Amino acid sequence: EPEVTQTPSHQVTQMGQEVILRCVPISNHLYFYWYRQILGQKVEFLVSFYNNEISEKSEIFDDQFSVERPDGSNFTLKIRSTKLEDSAMYFCASQAGGGGQFFGPGTRLTVL
Amino acid sequence: LAKTTQPISMDSYEGQEVNITCSHNNIATNDYITWYQQFPSQGPRFIIQGYKTKVTNEVASLFIPADRKSSTLSLPRVSLSDTAVYYCLVGDRRGNEKLTFGTGTRLTIIP
Repeated sequence: EPEVTQTPSHQVTQMGQEVILRCVPISNHLYFYWYRQILGQKVEFLVSFYNNEISEKSEIFDDQFSVERPDGSNFTLKIRSTKLEDSAMYFCASQAGGGGQFFGPGTRLTVL
Repeated sequence: LAKTTQPISMDSYEGQEVNITCSHNNIATNDYITWYQQFPSQGPRFIIQGYKTKVTNEVASLFIPADRKSSTLSLPRVSLSDTAVYYCLVGDRRGNEKLTFGTGTRLTIIP
């Protein structure tokens, strides 16, 4: 069964550093998303991406965040200057069209 | 966006059928009902989606009454591995729709 993959599984970084979280969505999917979940809290939407551009972004997704689909398979989330409050699980999801979104296993980001 | 209400937690014994009900009084005509499952430190996993009546797959059944103001996720013969948080979401099933997760229902299966 095809699945969404994410790397790395755990990223530790110093405050102010840049991080790039990587995702490989399911190959025939068209819509891509990033969500995050701070420990013990709800899953929160960050951004949706379709046809090589951002479709919607949340208030969390400020100028420090960017997304890119550099080739036909990868989908990345970059945080330019990490803050302590960026520590969370980051989930990538992809969707074919109608139907559900399929989530990856997540990247645990720890900002020290 | 239709608001959903579901129990905060439920306990059940292994081998039982578990039914989790979700209220969505303001569901719109174009909205579908989707359930996700999440284990600790993992991403949400799509379980089932429906519009009306009954939908069944290899994992669960989804019952939706005619007025669509509620829905019930039914898990047959649960095992310890079904211990997870279950989320009910309501929205348009077209692509490019962000998901808004609530706190979900924390289901604990007791041996």
